[in-house]
Amino acid sequence: DAGVIQSPRHEVTEMGQEVTLRCKPISGHDYLFWYRQTMMRGLELLIYFNNNVPIDDSGMPEDRFSAKMPNASFSTLKIQPSEPRDSAVYFCASSTDPGRRETQYFGPGTRLLVL
Amino acid sequence: AQSVTQLGSHVSVSEGALVLLRCNYSSSVPPYLFWYVQYPNQGLQLLLKYTSAATLVKGINGFEAEFKKSETSFHLTKPSAHMSDAAEYFCAVSGGATNKLIFGTGTLLAVQP
Repeated sequence: DAGVIQSPRHEVTEMGQEVTLRCKPISGHDYLFWYRQTMMRGLELLIYFNNNVPIDDSGMPEDRFSAKMPNASFSTLKIQPSEPRDSAVYFCASSTDPGRRETQYFGPGTRLLVL
Repeated sequence: AQSVTQLGSHVSVSEGALVLLRCNYSSSVPPYLFWYVQYPNQGLQLLLKYTSAATLVKGINGFEAEFKKSETSFHLTKPSAHMSDAAEYFCAVSGGATNKLIFGTGTLLAVQP
């Protein structure tokens, strides 16, 4: 298995632009998670899906952030408009379990820089 | 609410020395506990996990951790550090009604030659 795939690996954009991050989970995993990692706040869960349905989006920082999962093999995290404080590494992870017992498998991350 | 506290954001050891990374948890329900490792410019990968079976858990790369309910701890150890162990280590807890994995702030391990 190729593992969790994220694209792009690096993104540099200017403030105000729309940013779309993409994730392909491991086949057969019912749960998909989006995390953000910064020096100041560490690793934060933004949102997670179960069977393509958003279950908990309480970690999404504000309305500029949105996430979708149109099918079992694809999810997007969109920031519109982007701001410099959105600069971070964004990770996607997938699992067969919401996190109680089973391992979450992480992608390599997208390193976002908003100028 | 569940939480984990990792004592020491930076730990430095000599190659061949004992590695001890500390993690204390808070949970109102029996917890599941995890240690993840993050190498530079990579995602997190699981080192080991405790899911209410044996209290001493062995993981990859020679690491192990012991669940101590009386101390609410889940410290990570390795008898002899290797240069390749240099990375950031995250403790995490789950098991509550929220179904979320709650991560600690991480400990950056440096291994000196």
